[in-house]
Amino acid sequence: NAGVTQTPKFQVLKTGQSMTLQCAQDMNHEYMSWYRQDPGMGLRLIHYSVGAGITDQGEVPNGYNVSRSTTEDFPLRLLSAAPSQTSVYFCASSSGSWAGELFFGEGSRLTVL
Amino acid sequence: QQQVKQSPQSLIVQKGGISIINCAYENTAFDYFPWYQQFPGKGPALLIAIRPDVSEKKEGRFTISFNKSAKQFSLHIMDSQPGDSATYFCAAGTPFAGTASKLTFGTGTRLQVTL
Repeated sequence: NAGVTQTPKFQVLKTGQSMTLQCAQDMNHEYMSWYRQDPGMGLRLIHYSVGAGITDQGEVPNGYNVSRSTTEDFPLRLLSAAPSQTSVYFCASSSGSWAGELFFGEGSRLTVL
Repeated sequence: QQQVKQSPQSLIVQKGGISIINCAYENTAFDYFPWYQQFPGKGPALLIAIRPDVSEKKEGRFTISFNKSAKQFSLHIMDSQPGDSATYFCAAGTPFAGTASKLTFGTGTRLQVTL
């Protein structure tokens, strides 16, 4: 039972590079979201989706882009990486179209030089 | 602006003692208050949650106390064990708000339970 799978687990980028963090869930969850975790800042919501084709911004959306073409996948795109985006990124999903019990992936650690 | 304020930042408790973590929120529209537990290298996992229609919820050694008028809620861990050593996050949100469904997390408390 895979749950929420994030790839890659580790990534180093140079300033200005772009990349996509992948998130896939096999629980047929409608709700998916991306958080970033930084020391002393807790978990901050970047973007979320209540179902395929529907996305919305969270607290810290600038510099990130998302799309939701299928129920299973919710990729997070960094368009032009900046050192301020160095963080641990977590994808989470929830059954139904609401942020109830969130099931988190194991995280993707991103370093931007 | 932190919508959910959590304290303390870190906590050291002896085995068998009571661990208490506090959170305060500002948005009166919040109607769901979960606590998440995170071990190093792992994603957070739901520990226990409460809705504002009750003042207390207990699951095993873990209890949430909720004070709606003060806009505060807390996690109590009774008979704390070394295996409880982890980072704990409170959260608050409006999960039933349709397309605006989201959770806001506190800044986390690193709990260490010593022998």
